[in-house]
Amino acid sequence: NAGVTQTPKFQVLKTGQSMTLQCAQDMNHNSMYWYRQDPGMGLRLIYYSASEGTTDKGEVPNGYNVSRLNKREFSLRLESAAPSQTSVYFCASSESGLDTQYFGPGTRLTVL
Amino acid sequence: GESVGLHLPTLSVQEGDNSIINCAYSNSASDYFIWYKQESGKGPQFIIDIRSNMDKRQGQRVTVLLNKTVKHLSLQIAATQPGDSAVYFCAENLRNSGNTPLVFGKGTRLSVIA
Repeated sequence: NAGVTQTPKFQVLKTGQSMTLQCAQDMNHNSMYWYRQDPGMGLRLIYYSASEGTTDKGEVPNGYNVSRLNKREFSLRLESAAPSQTSVYFCASSESGLDTQYFGPGTRLTVL
Repeated sequence: GESVGLHLPTLSVQEGDNSIINCAYSNSASDYFIWYKQESGKGPQFIIDIRSNMDKRQGQRVTVLLNKTVKHLSLQIAATQPGDSAVYFCAENLRNSGNTPLVFGKGTRLSVIA
């Protein structure tokens, strides 16, 4: 039981490049989330998926898109990366939107 | 909007002493609270949770206290160890608000002095 897994662990992009961050969970959870964490700050919600087939914007959705591929997988896409998107990205999942969230190990992204 | 906050951004504690990390919340309708621990370079890890129908809940070396009157949440760590050094976040949820996600505080850094 791996819990929540994220790939890649590290990534460096140039401004304007695109990439997709992958997240998968093996806990049969219904809800999944994407957060970003900047130095000295807490977690800010980018997008979430309350259940398979639905996605909703969080606090900071601009510049990102998401896809809930199936119940296990939730991807985050940066279409045109900007230096302001340099951050650590965490994926999380929970049984429902009302329950404890379990986090992945994070992806450290640098945009030059 | 209302949000979860913390009293102290940093806390230094001598090894073996007890630690108390505080959290204030402003939404009186919040009814579920969680504490997370985040070690350097890792994702947040669930520690303990408490529902609003409880005042206290104990885990292994950790206790969470909830004071609904003053909207205050605390995490107590007994016999603090070097491995407890991390950033601790509280989070709140409104269990009657549908699928609204958790709201996280900014975190308190706990440093354990050996």
